[in-house]
Amino acid sequence: GENVEQHPSTLSVQEGDSAVIKCTYSDSASNYFPWYKQELGKRPQLIIDIRSNVGEKKDQRIAVTLNKTAKHFSLHITETQPEDSAVYFCAASPYNNNDMRFGAGTRLTVKP
Amino acid sequence: DTGVSQNPRHKITKRGQNVTFRCDPISEHNRLYWYRQTLGQGPEFLTYFQNEAQLEKSRLLSDRFSAERPKGSFSTLEIQRTEQGDSAMYLCASSLFRYRVDGLSNTGELFFGEGSRLTVL
Repeated sequence: GENVEQHPSTLSVQEGDSAVIKCTYSDSASNYFPWYKQELGKRPQLIIDIRSNVGEKKDQRIAVTLNKTAKHFSLHITETQPEDSAVYFCAASPYNNNDMRFGAGTRLTVKP
Repeated sequence: DTGVSQNPRHKITKRGQNVTFRCDPISEHNRLYWYRQTLGQGPEFLTYFQNEAQLEKSRLLSDRFSAERPKGSFSTLEIQRTEQGDSAMYLCASSLFRYRVDGLSNTGELFFGEGSRLTVL
């Protein structure tokens, strides 16, 4: 089955700097790659996703890139703000989304 | 519709007891998932339903775990003879899944509930 690895496990940046979180996956059948943000004590919420037919997607300060050949994808957050502080999870899902596997998470801290 | 709801939110039980969690998905969603999350880890897939059919179960799901979605709406997750290692947050999620004409799945966003935290003493 799919195995998703996520790095780094913790990331601390100054407000205004950029943050990059990287994930690798093992199953070449995976074609859907969402990113979820989980604030302390709250439910995971989708912030951006990408499908295998595109290489990059942007939504304001957030972007995701996908390299299918290397089987890795990354989350980029620019101009970070304290409210970006949370745990971020990447995930990968094969056709049919029948078994979405999550990475172990990255705890992002944005220092004011 | 206020989203995915789960209850109870917290459950403390003694080892060996049975517990049951309930999930009410977003009403128009045809897929319902159960995940388990422990501290510092990402959600681990347990099982999922499409309508009332349970289509996949993780190897993590021992025979002490059973899930149902009898009418294709709410779902229950029962853990029999609980063990301390079962202590975790049990997350439910739902999504609207459709097939696309281009062959890719129109994978819908997973909407998570707040979770049910289980503590086994």
